[in-house]
Amino acid sequence: DQQVKQNSPSLSVQEGRISILNCDYTNSMFDYFLWYKKYPAEGPTFLISISSIKDKNEDGRFTVFLNKSAKHLSLHIVPSQPGDSAVYFCAASEGSYNTDKLIFGTGTRLQVFP
Amino acid sequence: ETGVTQSPTHLIKTRGQQVTLRCSSQSGHNTVSWYQQALGQGPQFIFQYYREEENGRGNFPPRFSGLQFPNYSSELNVNALELDDSALYLCASSLEYGGLNNEQFFGPGTRLTVL
Repeated sequence: DQQVKQNSPSLSVQEGRISILNCDYTNSMFDYFLWYKKYPAEGPTFLISISSIKDKNEDGRFTVFLNKSAKHLSLHIVPSQPGDSAVYFCAASEGSYNTDKLIFGTGTRLQVFP
Repeated sequence: ETGVTQSPTHLIKTRGQQVTLRCSSQSGHNTVSWYQQALGQGPQFIFQYYREEENGRGNFPPRFSGLQFPNYSSELNVNALELDDSALYLCASSLEYGGLNNEQFFGPGTRLTVL
């Protein structure tokens, strides 16, 4: 049973435009949500996180939105840059700490073209 | 500051064999988690070690076992290898279990192929 779902395996966006990556979850006990970025031959890199008590968290070009009633979160990248091309994983944790075990989605491959 | 390192980078084994994967956590980190990432999937939590004790386990059989040493480096051992064990094995370390903003830093992974 996939508790964290990323239904779009890939996304292609023009440089300078907005990239929106979506994630849905089923477990209402999830308390913390994170986005990781992964380049080939590297481990996932932490990007941004949000606690379930918030509905938005912003860090530079990256913003994560959380809609608890819909069990949905999204990552917005504005403006998109070619260096953002990577696989993005949504992850969730039942604990209040992001050192707790993470449940990952299957990832969305983002390609930003000139 | 040295990041999370894993060895070996790649490994090929045959069914029934045993394998040991190693992870050196980032300096000062005492919590290590192991994940398995099969092709086309997201990483799946195997287990976590905090100060040399297992601190949570995912849905993996007992033939997956681990160890954490006093210097907080860690090993993942898999016995009786099966074809489905072929995957990228990721190690992640964090500064301290619990506490806010202690994100997990991942190593580059070990690619295990079971023939």
